[in-house]
Amino acid sequence: GENVEQHPSTLSVQEGDSAVIKCTYSDSASNYFPWYKQELGKRPQLIIDIRSNVGEKKDQRIAVTLNKTAKHFSLHITETQPEDSAVYFCGPQGGSNYQLIWGAGTKLIIKP
Amino acid sequence: DVKVTQSSRYLVKRTGEKVFLECVQDMDHENMFWYRQDPGLGLRLIYFSYDVKMKEKGDIPEGYSVSREKKERFSLILESASTNQTSMYLCATHAHSSHNEQFFGPGTRLTVL
Repeated sequence: GENVEQHPSTLSVQEGDSAVIKCTYSDSASNYFPWYKQELGKRPQLIIDIRSNVGEKKDQRIAVTLNKTAKHFSLHITETQPEDSAVYFCGPQGGSNYQLIWGAGTKLIIKP
Repeated sequence: DVKVTQSSRYLVKRTGEKVFLECVQDMDHENMFWYRQDPGLGLRLIYFSYDVKMKEKGDIPEGYSVSREKKERFSLILESASTNQTSMYLCATHAHSSHNEQFFGPGTRLTVL
């Protein structure tokens, strides 16, 4: 089955700086790569996703890049703000059409 | 907007009790999931269902069962609660027709004493 690793587990950055979180997966058949954000006490919500026919996707301050050859994709957040503080999960699609295989999460801390 | 609700936000039960957690969605999604979330372990899949009366085991089904009698409702059952089942439980839904986004409920924090 799919094996997913997410790094780092905790990331602390100065407000205004950039943050990068990386997700490595093992299933070469995976073709959908999302990132979810979970603020403290709230439910996880999709913030950006990418499909395997695209190498990069941007949405304002966030972007996702995909390297299918190396089997990893990354979340990039630029000009970080206090409201970016949260836990971020990657969840590449596994063997079936229904399941997402989740990384362990990255706690992002934005220092004022 | 997809609406996914869970029966309780907080629940305290005693060891050995039978516990029911319910999830209801109003968007006619075929697929429903139950996860537990523990610090440092991410989201671990307990069971999922892709249709009424259908269920599949996830990665950690031991100690749990599920029921899906109606499309909008997916129940997680702890037959005899144990202290190691103290956790946050999250329900999620997904539509066959959509891309693969899963929509989550608000979660139930279960404490087993």
